[in-house]
Amino acid sequence: KQEVTQIPAALSVPEGENLVLNCSFTDSAIYNLQWFRQDPGKGLTSLLLIQSSQREQTSGRLNASLDKSSGRSTLYIAASQPGDSATYLCAVPPNFGNEKLTFGTGTRLTIIP
Amino acid sequence: ETGVTQTPRHLVMGMTNKKSLKCEQHLGHNAMYWYKQSAKKPLELMFVYSLEERVENNSVPSRFSPECPNSSHLFLHLHTLQPEDSALYLCASSQPAGYGYTFGSGTRLTVV
Repeated sequence: KQEVTQIPAALSVPEGENLVLNCSFTDSAIYNLQWFRQDPGKGLTSLLLIQSSQREQTSGRLNASLDKSSGRSTLYIAASQPGDSATYLCAVPPNFGNEKLTFGTGTRLTIIP
Repeated sequence: ETGVTQTPRHLVMGMTNKKSLKCEQHLGHNAMYWYKQSAKKPLELMFVYSLEERVENNSVPSRFSPECPNSSHLFLHLHTLQPEDSALYLCASSQPAGYGYTFGSGTRLTVV
């Protein structure tokens, strides 16, 4: 059974700093990995989707990497802003054709102005 | 908007009421999902529909009844709910795994 863990559970950093969020998964037979952000009481917004054949994806100040063999992904946020404050979730489907996402436990990020 | 629209955004209902949550997507996706998110708990998958056929029911109580009349619409019918059913209910859609998931903004349900 796939298990996804995110460390740390919570993180507070001053505005302007670069930061890294971590995601670990136990079964490396994944088809892709997706990072989401969730604002309090709101739905999930997709940030980045990395296919298993890719090593990283970039969107603006965000960069996500994927190392399938070690079961890890990182989300790098450059020059953090107060608007980046949210909970960040990573999620994996176990294999192609299986529709079920397994979510990580989430990292609650607070950017201090 | 993400392309997945959920209505209503907020709902307060009594334990004897019957209400329905609606989800709509026009992304051309052929799978749709209901998730429940309770306070301080991880997301829980409730139902999966693929090509309008239910393929997953994660032991959800019968007071929750899903309906998928076509590939663009998904409903969650609610009746005789309990206060512990108060949560954020999220709808999502996807193509077959490999192309990512798109979530709606959710319905905040409060059962009184």
